[in-house]
Amino acid sequence: NAGVTQTPKFQVLKTGQSMTLQCAQDMNHEYMSWYRQDPGMGLRLIHYSVGAGITDQGEVPNGYNVSRSTTEDFPLRLLSAAPSQTSVYFCASSFQSSGSEQYFGPGTRLTVT
Amino acid sequence: AQSVAQPEDQVNVAEGNPLTVKCTYSVSGNPYLFWYVQYPNRGLQFLLKYITGDNLVKGSYGFEAEFNKSQTSFHLKKPSALVSDSALYFCAVSPRGSGSARQLTFGSGTQLTVLP
Repeated sequence: NAGVTQTPKFQVLKTGQSMTLQCAQDMNHEYMSWYRQDPGMGLRLIHYSVGAGITDQGEVPNGYNVSRSTTEDFPLRLLSAAPSQTSVYFCASSFQSSGSEQYFGPGTRLTVT
Repeated sequence: AQSVAQPEDQVNVAEGNPLTVKCTYSVSGNPYLFWYVQYPNRGLQFLLKYITGDNLVKGSYGFEAEFNKSQTSFHLKKPSALVSDSALYFCAVSPRGSGSARQLTFGSGTQLTVLP
């Protein structure tokens, strides 16, 4: 199993540009989530999904959209990039949405200039 | 609101010595508790979790953690540290119940350095 994969690994955007961060898992997990990691702040939940066709907002959803058309894929869209979105983004999945450990992808380092 | 505190940003320990990384939490009711490790330029990896039962939880790579309900703590321990244990460690907590993963709160992380 490849586990959780993310692309791209690095990205530089100009303010106002849009892009999609890709995330896929091959473990048939029902729960998937997106976090951002900023220095000294741990990880903060952006959006999550409990199954195909079901998504919801996390702690810091503004400026981001998600969709989940299949069990495997959970892309994160930045609508109009801002410097405050400079961060490292992690996708994660787990077998269920309660009590299960999460499996993390390798991350995408995004810089917005 | 729930919270997680990792009071030490940095912990240094000599190779072969025991290590402890501290975590305290605040959550309504009984929690799910997790430890994750992050190596440089990598995603987080699961180490261990407390769900129910024995307060001493054993996990990957020889790590263990003790759930202390009265002190609301979940400290990570290892009897003998290795240089390869050097990494960033995160404690995380969520309340019990359906869909609790969406309420998973991470601590700010503790950088562990094991000195040869």
